[in-house]
Amino acid sequence: DAMVIQNPRYQVTQFGKPVTLSCSQTLNHNVMYWYQQKSSQAPKLLFHYYDKDFNNEADTPDNFQSRRPNTSFCFLDIRSPGLGDAAMYLCATSRVRNTEAFFGQGTRLTVV
Amino acid sequence: GESVGLHLPTLSVQEGDNSIINCAYSNSASDYFIWYKQESGKGPQFIIDIRSNMDKRQGQRVTVLLNKTVKHLSLQIAATQPGDSAVYFCAETLPGDYKLSFGAGTTVTVRA
Repeated sequence: DAMVIQNPRYQVTQFGKPVTLSCSQTLNHNVMYWYQQKSSQAPKLLFHYYDKDFNNEADTPDNFQSRRPNTSFCFLDIRSPGLGDAAMYLCATSRVRNTEAFFGQGTRLTVV
Repeated sequence: GESVGLHLPTLSVQEGDNSIINCAYSNSASDYFIWYKQESGKGPQFIIDIRSNMDKRQGQRVTVLLNKTVKHLSLQIAATQPGDSAVYFCAETLPGDYKLSFGAGTTVTVRA
């Protein structure tokens, strides 16, 4: 059974049109992460939540924002997608720090 | 920049042979390491982890070795199967940190 669920699996958006990606988890984990993965590259952390505490990576563009309304759900908002934002977006969870992170299947974002 | 990396970007293995995937890390303070497998179009899947107080850990058909002296991590896969074809990432965290830093990945191709 899927434990970290991302919707949609594929998303096509227009250049500059806001888009939201969603993630839900059934693990009741405290920590949720959003990673960006471009083709043939390693996942790159954008930000993470520990409970409701939001932690942004220093090099995450302002164009990317996130919301976590409750333990189970987390959203990634891209305010004005550019062509360079086309990537796989991965959501992950972990119970606490320094433990295994469980990944969803990702959302493939295409910007046209 | 990423503190995990330096590897052979591709590895071709004959089915049934053993595979060894290497990873070097630069931060001697890292205390937790994970190997992930990522199949095309999917999210990373946990394979095995190891903490810095250990040198070796075994799972089903996989073994992770940690050499802290030279800051080197390896993943050994016994009797490699076609289903093992994927990109393999090592990842590390610092003590008390939430961030998983990924290496660039090694693409493993299993020849029949």
